[in-house]
Amino acid sequence: EVQLVQSGAEVKKAGESLKISCKASGYSFMYNWIGWVRQMPGKGLEWMGFIYPGDSDLRYSPSFQGQVTISADKSITTAYLQWSSLKASDTAMYYCVRSPFGGHPTNIDYWGQGTLLTVSS
Amino acid sequence: QVVLTQSPSASASLGASVKLTCSLSSGHTNYAIAWHQLQPEKGPRFLMKVNSDGSHSKGDGIPDRFSGTSSGAERYLTISSLQSDDEGHYYCQTWGPGTVFFGGGTKLTVL
Repeated sequence: EVQLVQSGAEVKKAGESLKISCKASGYSFMYNWIGWVRQMPGKGLEWMGFIYPGDSDLRYSPSFQGQVTISADKSITTAYLQWSSLKASDTAMYYCVRSPFGGHPTNIDYWGQGTLLTVSS
Repeated sequence: QVVLTQSPSASASLGASVKLTCSLSSGHTNYAIAWHQLQPEKGPRFLMKVNSDGSHSKGDGIPDRFSGTSSGAERYLTISSLQSDDEGHYYCQTWGPGTVFFGGGTKLTVL
């Protein structure tokens, strides 16, 4: 059974750094894309980026390029989303997602349960 | 740049059927899409992938009440025998080389 289990809710202050995680299991972590989707309060879904753990190929949405860092640790089948300096506007729910093997991300076929981030100014 | 257009809201009665639409922008009308369901207090889930020829492949455990079809630039999600548990937001999603797009989502209310 494919599972994406995310780390728990976070409450941070603006300017702080943060790394949230997504532990994947039940499939070949190396050979599927894994990424992140943001949902701001009351808003729709926004794709942030994907990583292909097999060769660390990274694809960022232009909206998030330079704002966050996506990484993966193959040894523990875990993906990460990292901020170096949080802003209040980063307050959102963040979902870990999987996209099946291919030359680039395609349809999302599994979702994590979400990590709620609250950033106070 | 692919634009996916969805109606902001839809409603139907308990036990009835509803057909949600996702429209692909000009020049991208042969793209496949995926449908996703987001509900408060529940994790999001992938419902199905719908191809331009109308064929579709469902996610794990998605009941037969959910089906997908296609016509031109439109991709549809039909939910039959509506249950109160079907209330939530439904998003379509597509992709290009190295990029992913979401529609604005449709909020479904079961009356």
